Amino acid sequence: AQTVTQSQPEMSVQEAETVTLSCTYDTSENNYYLFWYKQPPSRQMILVIRQEAYKQQNATENRFSVNFQKAAKSFSLKISDSQLGDTAMYFCAFSPNFGNEKLTFGTGTRLTIIP
Amino acid sequence: NAGVTQTPKFRVLKTGQSMTLLCAQDMNHEYMYWYRQDPGMGLRLIHYSVGEGTTAKGEVPDGYNVSRLKKQNFLLGLESAAPSQTSVYFCASRNPSYTQYFGPGTRLTVL
Repeated sequence: AQTVTQSQPEMSVQEAETVTLSCTYDTSENNYYLFWYKQPPSRQMILVIRQEAYKQQNATENRFSVNFQKAAKSFSLKISDSQLGDTAMYFCAFSPNFGNEKLTFGTGTRLTIIP
Repeated sequence: NAGVTQTPKFRVLKTGQSMTLLCAQDMNHEYMYWYRQDPGMGLRLIHYSVGEGTTAKGEVPDGYNVSRLKKQNFLLGLESAAPSQTSVYFCASRNPSYTQYFGPGTRLTVL
């Protein structure tokens, strides 16, 4: 079974600074997908970024980028030029690319951007 | 294009009452999922469906039933609600590239 671990329950950073959220996972699979979802106070789960394990290049989406280290089973999220609207819970999630493809979530990191 | 919608957004039940949560998606996705979110535990899969007329159990299925009579709809039922089912429920659908899109959630309280 896959597990996803987020070791930082809470983080805070000043507006405009850069912050990195950590995620590690455990799997015996070689092909899979990794995701970061954002959950603001509205509760909506919003996809931030997605990484395919067979791609060595790290995914980027505007101010969001990942550092994917497959051998170390590490998948961290970097937020550059942080904004007040980035305040949210951030969940790391894993999905194999076979079977029911369910998402396995970490327990989340609560990120607060300080004005 | 509304994406994934859920009805209702909030509900309060008494122990032993029943209810159905409705999920609808307009993206023509085959796969649909029901998760529950509890404090400090992330999201856990209750049931899922890989297509119209199919359903399967996830990791926490006890006390819930589901149906997928139409491709666009996925219903989650609680036959006899218990306080342990107080949670926030999320529906999701998955596109062919393995990305799941979530509804806005339903906050359920069982007294």
